[in-house]
Amino acid sequence: LAKTTQPISMDSYEGQEVNITCSHNNIATNDYITWYQQFPSQGPRFIIQGYKTKVTNEVASLFIPADRKSSTLSLPRVSLSDTAVYYCLVGEEDNAGNMLTFGGGTRLMVKP
Amino acid sequence: DTGVSQDPRHKITKRGQNVTFRCDPISEHNRLYWYRQTLGQGPEFLTYFQNEAQLEKSRLLSDRFSAERPKGSFSTLEIQRTEQGDSAMYLCASSWPGSYEQYFGPGTRLTVT
Repeated sequence: LAKTTQPISMDSYEGQEVNITCSHNNIATNDYITWYQQFPSQGPRFIIQGYKTKVTNEVASLFIPADRKSSTLSLPRVSLSDTAVYYCLVGEEDNAGNMLTFGGGTRLMVKP
Repeated sequence: DTGVSQDPRHKITKRGQNVTFRCDPISEHNRLYWYRQTLGQGPEFLTYFQNEAQLEKSRLLSDRFSAERPKGSFSTLEIQRTEQGDSAMYLCASSWPGSYEQYFGPGTRLTVT
């Protein structure tokens, strides 16, 4: 699985848009990019997944440039409840294991 | 279906004791995963099942760790002769085959004294 690099922490304020960028220079052709969110004392929760260009759902948007060596998770108008750790993962969806490899994640703190 | 459930939510045990955790996945998911998470770190993959077959177990931390999924439904993770370093959150997740969208349970927090 390709290694990912993302900021250790970020601060934001309520109502702002937050963009978290993840680097994955060694991404393989068949790899997808997936983001998970984790609140304290809970298991991670799937947010969004993409392969290229842009993906949007009711929670977030995922921007992937043409070279796919990075990706940006965009959270529109964050609230205090978006304070969590966000993990970027890269891997092949149909591989035999689908074992997720989590890095350290980005700790987002949303302030009032 | 209310999601993935894990039991117990908290377990305190003395060093050297055996512990067993249970995971009930989402019923239509045939893949089940176990992860361990220590404070400040991301979850670490341990093992996974497709139905009752354990397809990957080389990441289990030592031979003190074992997992079963006897009928392809719920799973158990056992740690024998617990050590203080085993203190962590143990997470279970389930999914459909080939999907990176895994659904995690709330975890079992183990404290070894």
